[in-house]
Amino acid sequence: AQTVTQSQPEMSVQEAETVTLSCTYDTSESDYYLFWYKQPPSRQMILVIRQEAYKQQNATENRFSVNFQKAAKSFSLKISDSQLGDAAMYFCAYSPRNTGKLIFGQGTTLQVKP
Amino acid sequence: SQTIHQWPATLVQPVGSPLSLECTVEGTSNPNLYWYRQAAGRGLQLLFYSVGIGQISSEVPQNLSASRPQDRQFILSSKKLLLSDSGFYLCAWSSHGGLNTGELFFGEGSRLTVL
Repeated sequence: AQTVTQSQPEMSVQEAETVTLSCTYDTSESDYYLFWYKQPPSRQMILVIRQEAYKQQNATENRFSVNFQKAAKSFSLKISDSQLGDAAMYFCAYSPRNTGKLIFGQGTTLQVKP
Repeated sequence: SQTIHQWPATLVQPVGSPLSLECTVEGTSNPNLYWYRQAAGRGLQLLFYSVGIGQISSEVPQNLSASRPQDRQFILSSKKLLLSDSGFYLCAWSSHGGLNTGELFFGEGSRLTVL
């Protein structure tokens, strides 16, 4: 079965510091997508970053970057220069290509301390 | 640009009453449509997805049903709500076929409380 595991239910970081959120997944597929979504208190899910499994280069979006280790099936999210607005629940998600379905982890609640 | 809207945003219903949550997408055609449920403090569970009008796939057995009467309309229903149906329901869409990048675009969510 395809599963996504986020082993950190809660994390905290000091404003302006860096934090890394962990994610591992289990699949027998070779072609897939990986995502990090952010869910702020408003509850609407927002895409943070996306990675295609066939691309070896780690995706980067401004202060957000990933460490994609395909062999280890690991996909961690690094947030640099953390801001108060980064406080939210973060979900790691996996999608086999051409299925249109996302499988989500349980989420990590990130607290940013001023 | 594409938008997705779902309503109502908040709903409090007694056990045994019916349910109808609606979701519409604008600015795209023939999208894949999804209903997810998020229990308190938990991840998202896929309930239904649809690749076209009248085509509904159910991921988990449950008290709910879904319908897609129009290309960009997706409805989540129940004839008789259970306490366990309480949760936060999210509608989402993705591009179809070759345009699909795997990304889902989510609505604002509907919070259902069954008393």
